[in-house]
Amino acid sequence: SQQGEEDPQALSIQEGENATMNCSYKTSINNLQWYRQNSGRGLVHLILIRSNEREKHSGRLRVTLDTSKKSSSLLITASRAADTASYFCAALLKTSYDKVIFGPGTSLSVIP
Amino acid sequence: EAGVVQSPRYKIIEKKQPVAFWCNPISGHNTLYWYLQNLGQGPELLIRYENEEAVDDSQLPKDRFSAERLKGVDSTLKIQPAELGDSAVYLCASSPTRGRNTGELFFGEGSRLTVL
Repeated sequence: SQQGEEDPQALSIQEGENATMNCSYKTSINNLQWYRQNSGRGLVHLILIRSNEREKHSGRLRVTLDTSKKSSSLLITASRAADTASYFCAALLKTSYDKVIFGPGTSLSVIP
Repeated sequence: EAGVVQSPRYKIIEKKQPVAFWCNPISGHNTLYWYLQNLGQGPELLIRYENEEAVDDSQLPKDRFSAERLKGVDSTLKIQPAELGDSAVYLCASSPTRGRNTGELFFGEGSRLTVL
């Protein structure tokens, strides 16, 4: 079974607005990753945050991690139409080295 | 550097027919994963290889699915016989060797299977 849960399942915003997606997981992790998937394509790694980190930035992406609540969030600032895609969180489990479990994803639509 | 290569990209078969998917990981990546992705859902792990050894195949339906990774490089995932519910995208991913592995996966474009 999948470890992660994400909300919202779908998000529709106007270009220029910020998009926030949330992810929760069930067991101890080594790190939490976010991936992006354009329609009909493979997944692309966006950003990784380790279990001892609380916040990380990469360009217009900001990721937070709260291990006490077993949750993470991905913020995309100043969204663009090209950000339209599905976004997945993925947990590298602490109990099984190299096992990466994905959440169900958030479908983001950015309207020009 | 070439990425993860999968073939075929699309496959349409009738139920009860066999089907095979091929994956060539990034050079030097010893860990290889096969994931199944149903429409609108996240990838679900089927099997994970360290070199040629299947270290986690607990989610692989072994009555009809099989996989191999001869010589620890390319891998093949086979379904025989296919059922209607097997219609999905089959994703292959690879990651660097243990010790340098942060868990970041590099995915291929996937093989979309339609079973009629």
